[in-house]
Amino acid sequence: DTGVSQNPRHKITKRGQNVTFRCDPISEHNRLYWYRQTLGQGPEFLTYFQNEAQLEKSRLLSDRFSAERPKGSFSTLEIQRTEQGDSAMYLCASSGETQYFGPGTRLLVL
Amino acid sequence: DQQVKQNSPSLSVQEGRISILNCDYTNSMFDYFLWYKKYPAEGPTFLISISSIKDKNEDGRFTVFLNKSAKHLSLHIVPSQPGDSAVYFCAASIAAPDNYGGATNKLIFGTGTLLAVQP
Repeated sequence: DTGVSQNPRHKITKRGQNVTFRCDPISEHNRLYWYRQTLGQGPEFLTYFQNEAQLEKSRLLSDRFSAERPKGSFSTLEIQRTEQGDSAMYLCASSGETQYFGPGTRLLVL
Repeated sequence: DQQVKQNSPSLSVQEGRISILNCDYTNSMFDYFLWYKKYPAEGPTFLISISSIKDKNEDGRFTVFLNKSAKHLSLHIVPSQPGDSAVYFCAASIAAPDNYGGATNKLIFGTGTLLAVQP
């Protein structure tokens, strides 16, 4: 399977805990994106990378969120001190000309 | 500020008929548009896209029409099949300054339309 992969697919955590998600893009794509989707809404842009450089961050990305793409391949999204409002589907995409999405990581904060 | 709007939350169509999904946008700077299909608990799947220099793009049963003056695009599915039942999102993008083109910049999504194709 040469598509975008994300791990884990599901994560349940308690409020205040830290969580980290991983995204592996399509290998020849040098742009990687993170989005968040909540119930009844479309995906909302969080941040994106061109190789290892983080080019843009949404104001949705509070100080508790950090994303990295250290070698320009896979990326991680960390949420520190999780809150119930962080519960959402976190989607990763990579692009050549078109953005292709992974299956997402569903986060539930209790 | 919802820059991309899908005003119909749901649509029901008979198998074999045409499905028409609509999308409006407010930002005249958008120059690339895409449609995605999404099943529950999965990521969005790319369907079809169109650049603002075109007014129509076709791929098999899927056709996207763009009316720039009205800031409106639509997705036509002909003939509709039960497997098309899903949530459909339109998305818009502004070309990156480095002229990569396509949807290499962030996407702004609508809220989606749930399509149900009845057998």
